Amino acid sequence: DTAVSQTPKYLVTQMGNDKSIKCEQNLGHDTMYWYKQDSKKFLKIMFSYNNKELIINETVPNRFSPKSPDKAHLNLHINSLELGDSAVYFCASSGLGNEQFFGPGTRLTVL
Amino acid sequence: ELKVEQNPLFLSMQEGKNYTIYCNYSTTSDRLYWYRQDPGKSLESLFVLLSNGAVKQEGRLMASLDTKARLSTLHITAAVHDLSATYFCAVGGGADGLTFGKGTHLIIQP
Repeated sequence: DTAVSQTPKYLVTQMGNDKSIKCEQNLGHDTMYWYKQDSKKFLKIMFSYNNKELIINETVPNRFSPKSPDKAHLNLHINSLELGDSAVYFCASSGLGNEQFFGPGTRLTVL
Repeated sequence: ELKVEQNPLFLSMQEGKNYTIYCNYSTTSDRLYWYRQDPGKSLESLFVLLSNGAVKQEGRLMASLDTKARLSTLHITAAVHDLSATYFCAVGGGADGLTFGKGTHLIIQP
């Protein structure tokens, strides 16, 4: 009965590869997000999706593309991975109260 | 651009002591959030503060919000080791997402 789930939890890959991270929420929320947490633990929003529509894109390289098949899912696809993409990626969702609930995170390591 | 500043960024304190973490933000907002993160874990929501003067308490933690001063505080009373974690404040929400402070790494020693 996990509220926000992500897969995989760990992802180790080589530079130049393409990878995807999946996110699902069972809270019935309308808005989902992707955040990046770097090695210094700084959290920054990457994308926000509301009812399958992209709301915000915070100067993220276009190698990153969010894809939402329905309002319960928001996947993150990353092309041509670079060393600097190594981080922990968190999915989150929020409803009418705007409180955000976070997934467990995906630790991406690019070698 | 909304900026959120926390201080201190690192805090080492002894069990039983009291301390306060401060969170300042740069533009008007009536929503402020406090999260806790344990090493290698996700973010756990602690408090949601939605109006000026809001005060919420949970156990040894108490959070308050002054929207006029653009300041929130997280007060720790009689600290215990289990409260060791990184604490983040965040502002915003809704379609714009949250803007986080850099986090306060709190270590509570016996």
